[in-house]
Parts: sequence; C-alpha cells; structure tokens
Amino acid sequence: NIVLTQSPASLAVILGQKATISCTASESVNKFGINLMHWYQQKPGQLPKILIYNEFSRAPGIPARFSGDEAELNFTLTIEPVEADDVATYYCQQGLTFPYTFGAGTKLELK
Amino acid sequence: VQLVESGGGLVQPGKSLKLSCSASGFTFSSYGMHWIRQAPGKGLDWVAYISSSSGTVYADAVKGRFTISRDNAKNTLYLQLNSLKSEDTAIYYCARHYYDGTWFAYWGQGTLVTVSS
Repeated sequence: NIVLTQSPASLAVILGQKATISCTASESVNKFGINLMHWYQQKPGQLPKILIYNEFSRAPGIPARFSGDEAELNFTLTIEPVEADDVATYYCQQGLTFPYTFGAGTKLELK
Repeated sequence: VQLVESGGGLVQPGKSLKLSCSASGFTFSSYGMHWIRQAPGKGLDWVAYISSSSGTVYADAVKGRFTISRDNAKNTLYLQLNSLKSEDTAIYYCARHYYDGTWFAYWGQGTLVTVSS
C-alpha cells in the first residue's frame, strides 16, 4: 500500500503569511507523467472539499492562493497569503492504486 | 450530483448493519462509487470501491467483513457491515470521483455508525 506521511500535524500561521504543508509518498504516484496526488480542505462540521487535483491543478472556484507542487515524492500544498477562512484541516490523497490512501491531516490555525 | 446516505445507527460489537446511498443527478450506472469513513475527530479512511461493472476493492481493515454492492435500477449504493468492531465507529460517506479522475469530487453528507455495547 502507498503510505502518505503528512507534516506537520498542526500549523499556526499569521494572517497574510504563507502556510506550507508536506505530504511524502512511500512510492511513486505517477501515471503517464501525471502525479495522481490530490489535496482536500475540511472545515469543522463540513465535508471535505477538493482543492488541488493531479498535483497542481486547482479545482473550479479555488483561488490562486492555493498551489500544489512536487519534488522527489514530496508533495507540498502552499497557501499564500493565508486568510481567516482557511482555518481547516488539510489532507493529501493518492489515486494511483487501490487502496486509495489519505495523509493523516494537517490542522491549520491562525497565530 | 446528489448523494444521500442512510442506515447508520448504534449497533453492538459483532453485529451487522447495512448502509445505503441514494444517488441522483448523474447516470449512476456509468460510475464507480466509493465508501470513505471518518472516525470522530480523526482523519479520512478509504473503505471500499465498486466499479461500474461491479468489480470490488476493499481496504485491508474491512476485507472479509464489509461488502459493497450496487443496484443500478434503484440508483443506490450499499455497504453491508458485518462483524462490527468498536474501531468501525465513524461517519460513513459515499463518494464519487470526478469523471475519469481519481479524486473525490462529490460526497454525501454521511451517516454515523456507532459500535458499542
């Protein structure tokens, strides 16, 4: 199974600053040149919402403040500048092979 | 796209429960469907998948105990939960991926399963 190690578990950021969340895959999630790594945002009491799919593509309606990148199996979600509405838990998910797996989550708070 | 789960509740360890997910707004028979769960205060945990042709895949933690199925005539997805354990306590979501993508674009509101004596 592909294990996704997400860090940090929690993150406190000043409004307007940058938040960086990491997700390291235990093996490649690449299929035909596309990294099948996705990012979700889940606010308390709400459903998960897709933010970024296929490593760096923003889902419809997601602002450019959210971006995805990858370097040597290490995937990052960057939020810059952080806004108050971004307080949530963020999850990565790989869609290359079953069982699909999620990272453990990163809780973003404001400092 | 609308997904509406039902069937959750309080059940004793070792007992069974059957969840349903009623789908609308898309051609249900053309899509694979997933069950994903989330224990209270915990992260997301993929449970099972059924393809449009009814091929199935399960997470190791539920293999042999849970069964995913579908009734295309009723636009309904099911999850039969047998030999329930306390660690199966969670909100169970049905979800659909985005067309031929591998991310979950559509989620139901979830149904809570509590396993306790």
